[in-house]
Amino acid sequence: KQEVTQIPAALSVPEGENLVLNCSFTDSAIYNLQWFRQDPGKGLTSLLLIQSSQREQTSGRLNASLDKSSGRSTLYIAASQPGDSATYLCAGAYNTDKLIFGTGTRLQVFP
Amino acid sequence: AAGVIQSPRHLIKEKRETATLKCYPIPRHDTVYWYQQGPGQDPQFLISFYEKMQSDKGSIPDRFSAQQFSDYHSELNMSSLELGDSALYFCASSPNGSYNEQFFGPGTRLTVL
Repeated sequence: KQEVTQIPAALSVPEGENLVLNCSFTDSAIYNLQWFRQDPGKGLTSLLLIQSSQREQTSGRLNASLDKSSGRSTLYIAASQPGDSATYLCAGAYNTDKLIFGTGTRLQVFP
Repeated sequence: AAGVIQSPRHLIKEKRETATLKCYPIPRHDTVYWYQQGPGQDPQFLISFYEKMQSDKGSIPDRFSAQQFSDYHSELNMSSLELGDSALYFCASSPNGSYNEQFFGPGTRLTVL
């Protein structure tokens, strides 16, 4: 069964810290992995998409990596800001392109 | 830039009623996905369409049906609503079929009383 898990479930850090969010998937036959941000009760904002042939993607202060052999992806956030506070979800696409979501990491960045 | 549009944004229904949720994909996106997110849960895939044909089906109850129209918008029809159907329903779209980035709409919050 294809499963995606995320640790930690919650994270609270002071402003300015660099932080890493982890995503693990059970099936290495992943086609792509997408990272999302979700504010409470709101929609999903796509942050980064990594295709299976890629190792990492960068957008501004965000960097996501993908290691298929170990079944892991990480989202690195540099110089965190209070506005980064949200839930971060990773989702993998396998032999069909439906996304299988992780349970999310709830991030709080305090001033 | 144009985003995925969903309507209505909020919907309140009684048990056993029906509901229709609408999704308008980003222009030139031909693939639409529906997801359900229960309270405190991660989104679960329901169903998807590519070029107006059903392309994949997930954990969608038999009481639900969906279709994609010639202008690529999609509708999710929900009948005999149950309390457990209360959730956020997201529509996402992507271009050119499989394995492209999925862009999500703001969601429709359905409350069943």
